[in-house]
Amino acid sequence: EAGVAQSPRYKIIEKRQSVAFWCNPISGHATLYWYQQILGQGPKLLIQFQNNGVVDDSQLPKDRFSAERLKGVDSTLKIQPAKLEDSAVYLCASSLGVTSNTEAFFGQGTRLTVV
Amino acid sequence: GNSVTQMEGPVTLSEEAFLTINCTYTATGYPSLFWYVQYPGEGLQLLLKATKADDKGSNKGFEATYRKETTSFHLEKGSVQVSDSAVYFCALQSGGTSYGKLTFGQGTILTVHP
Repeated sequence: EAGVAQSPRYKIIEKRQSVAFWCNPISGHATLYWYQQILGQGPKLLIQFQNNGVVDDSQLPKDRFSAERLKGVDSTLKIQPAKLEDSAVYLCASSLGVTSNTEAFFGQGTRLTVV
Repeated sequence: GNSVTQMEGPVTLSEEAFLTINCTYTATGYPSLFWYVQYPGEGLQLLLKATKADDKGSNKGFEATYRKETTSFHLEKGSVQVSDSAVYFCALQSGGTSYGKLTFGQGTILTVHP
């Protein structure tokens, strides 16, 4: 079974530029998550989708971050304009559902450096 | 709100030593508890979980018991190996409007020397 695919693996941009990350979840997984992991901290949820609807985006800085999940499959996370403090690893995860018996599977992440 | 606190790291051990990584949590209701592991260059992987009080999760020689009275979920292993070197994250999942969301601790870096 293929895992969660993310691209690119690494990205370096200057502040005020824009950047986009792509995630392809495991086939058949209805729930998709984007987490932000700042160096030395645990991952923090940015947004959660159930199929193509947003379940939770309370921690997403909506003035600069946006995300979409067209057709309930792939997802894109965008930052525009980027700030220095956005330097982090962006993790995508997916699960069949949202109960405690459904495991969340994580991709390898995209490491963003804003200079 | 929900929160998870892990012991400060990094932790450095010799091979075959006993490992404990402390984890305590604050949550409403009855959360499920997890330990995730991140090996160098890889993504987060579920190590073990427990979904109700007094449950014990176990995998690959690691164990953790869900203690509601002390709000803890400490990770233990009797004899660590060099291959256990990784970052370990304690996490909880609770109900509510965003069921499925994981709240993570800050992570503990484990290094095991031969």
